Amino acid sequence: DTEVTQTPKHLVMGMTNKKSLKCEQHMGHRAMYWYKQKAKKPPELMFVYSYEKLSINESVPSRFSPECPNSSLLNLHLHALQPEDSALYLCASSSPGPAGGHEQYFGPGTRLTVT
Amino acid sequence: GQQVMQIPQYQHVQEGEDFTTYCNSSTTLSNIQWYKQRPGGHPVFLIQLVKSGEVKKQKRLTFQFGEAKKNSSLHITATQTTDVGTYFCAALTSGTYKYIFGTGTRLKVLA
Repeated sequence: DTEVTQTPKHLVMGMTNKKSLKCEQHMGHRAMYWYKQKAKKPPELMFVYSYEKLSINESVPSRFSPECPNSSLLNLHLHALQPEDSALYLCASSSPGPAGGHEQYFGPGTRLTVT
Repeated sequence: GQQVMQIPQYQHVQEGEDFTTYCNSSTTLSNIQWYKQRPGGHPVFLIQLVKSGEVKKQKRLTFQFGEAKKNSSLHITATQTTDVGTYFCAALTSGTYKYIFGTGTRLKVLA
């Protein structure tokens, strides 16, 4: 199984709402990532979990809160978002490869609209 | 901070023509990966380059890593309509899981 699943596919939320994005993989990968992608832009790294521990936080505002309950699951909790946070949120996973390289498998993403 | 630029930003080609996108980093890279993202889709891994001067081929696609490990290229021979999408390079920061994606090149193929 080489699939990364994400739910929901689409999400519309108000600025006072609390919601969560979910990501799951069953490839045994021990690194999981959250990216944010705006239209016609490259994916921007937000968070990296390595062996269920947060290893990279790219200075993301605290209204985004990641969680890695176990090696297969990754959540992104959202609270008090702004309209400019509307984007495609991509989850990815990887395991160490040759010479330290890590092929990433991406999920289909959650398209988030903040109203 | 590290920047990864790609040129061109956009490319329109007639089906059957060749296409090349270039990826340039401000710093020396430990390795570089290439991804393709179809319109409305998510990035899909194509290849990884690790060694200085490395060249890899996948059917009509040829990938190169520069001798100084600061640039890379992707060349597609005889493009097809299925090649449409945005091609991203992704540079890995040595010793971490941190990827910096290039700015991307959007390819359109006219039948």
